[in-house]
Amino acid sequence: DAGVIQSPRHEVTEMGQEVTLRCKPISGHNSLFWYRQTMMRGLELLIYFNNNVPIDDSGMPEDRFSAKMPNASFSTLKIQPSEPRDSAVYFCASSRRDLEEKLFFGSGTQLSVL
Amino acid sequence: GENVEQHPSTLSVQEGDSAVIKCTYSDSASNYFPWYKQELGKRPQLIIDIRSNVGEKKDQRIAVTLNKTAKHFSLHITETQPEDSAVYFCAASSRYNQGGKLIFGQGTELSVKP
Repeated sequence: DAGVIQSPRHEVTEMGQEVTLRCKPISGHNSLFWYRQTMMRGLELLIYFNNNVPIDDSGMPEDRFSAKMPNASFSTLKIQPSEPRDSAVYFCASSRRDLEEKLFFGSGTQLSVL
Repeated sequence: GENVEQHPSTLSVQEGDSAVIKCTYSDSASNYFPWYKQELGKRPQLIIDIRSNVGEKKDQRIAVTLNKTAKHFSLHITETQPEDSAVYFCAASSRYNQGGKLIFGQGTELSVKP
C-alpha cells in the first residue's frame, strides 16, 4: 500500500488566493483527519470524517476553511481566501477504526502564503 | 472536550541515558493513548500505543505507562541513541474505536547527544 497520499507537497501562494489541498487515504480506511502543524500551536485537529461524513469541524479556524470528502478515496481542504497566518504544514491522516485503530499520516503539504 | 498537556517541551540527554516524557489528559473517558515520533521534515509516525485496560506496555527500548486515576501517561526511552533525536507527541482519545477524535499534546523535542 502506498500509504496516505497528499498533494501538493509544497504550495506557495499570494494572500487572497484560493488554496486546495488534496488527500487520498489508505484503501479500506474509514476515518480521515485533517491536522495543521505550526511551531506555536503544534498539531491541531481541524476536521475529521467517519465513513465520508464530517463528524467534528470545531477545529476549523473560520469560514475561510472548508473540507469535503465526496467518496472513500478522496478528500480536499480548501482555504479561500488565504492569509499569511494560514502558513503551516497540513497533514491528512487515516485509520480503520473497527479493525485497527492506528492513525497513519501523509507526508503533509507545506503551505506558504505570502 | 479533551485537552492534552505534554512536558517537557525540550529534553536533552546524553547517549545511553534514559528519557521520560509525560502527558496529562482531561477527559476521564479517554481510552486510547498513542505516541508518535516526528523527525525533522517528516510525517509523525506511531511508535507505541496503549489502551486504558493496560497499565504498561513495552517494545524493546520504549515503554509507556498509564495512570488512569491521575489521568496521566508517560513515554520512557532507555539506552537512548542519537537516532532517537526527534519531536515526540502524545495523544488521547475517548471512544476512538467508535469514531472519536484524537487530540495531540504540544510535543517534546528530544535531543540525544553522542
